[in-house]
Amino acid sequence: EPEVTQTPSHQVTQMGQEVILRCVPISNHLYFYWYRQILGQKVEFLVSFYNNEISEKSEIFDDQFSVERPDGSNFTLKIRSTKLEDSAMYFCASSDTGGEPNTGELFFGEGSRLTVL
Amino acid sequence: RKEVEQDPGPFNVPEGATVAFNCTYSNSASQSFFWYRQDCRKEPKLLMSVYSSGNEDGRFTAQLNRASQYISLLIRDSKLSDSATYLCVVFFSGGYNKLIFGAGTRLAVHP
Repeated sequence: EPEVTQTPSHQVTQMGQEVILRCVPISNHLYFYWYRQILGQKVEFLVSFYNNEISEKSEIFDDQFSVERPDGSNFTLKIRSTKLEDSAMYFCASSDTGGEPNTGELFFGEGSRLTVL
Repeated sequence: RKEVEQDPGPFNVPEGATVAFNCTYSNSASQSFFWYRQDCRKEPKLLMSVYSSGNEDGRFTAQLNRASQYISLLIRDSKLSDSATYLCVVFFSGGYNKLIFGAGTRLAVHP
């Protein structure tokens, strides 16, 4: 069964360091997303990506964050200068439909746990 | 008003019990609604979509009340394996699949 894969599964970094989280979406999917979940809190939307550009982003997704799809398979989230409050589980997701109405089925990866010290 | 609001629980129920979760949403223009399930420290997975007429999938029944901006999930004959956090998820208009998640309701089914 096709799946979304994410690496690394866990990354520990020092405050102020740059971090890149990698995702390989399901191959025939066209829409890509990053969500994050701080421990014990809700899943929060960060950004959606379609046709090689950001289609929507949340208030959380400030200038410290960027996404790209460099090679047609990987989808990366970069945090330029990490802060303590960036510690969270970051989920990548993909879907084959966009717009509304939609099936609502986002396929999530298992997540990358980021710990900022 | 929060975009998607749920009772956090936890709901502690015995096997075989019927349990209901509720959810309210703020955007009256939203058209699509879902329940996802999240196991501890795992990724969310789609449980079922919620249709205007209500829909059922085995032991699970979802209802939508657009006038009240209210969604519900009913689980009958609870199993131990149903223990998880149930996330109410709403598609907010104006975005590309911008699914907004509620904080989730935790369910613990005990023997």
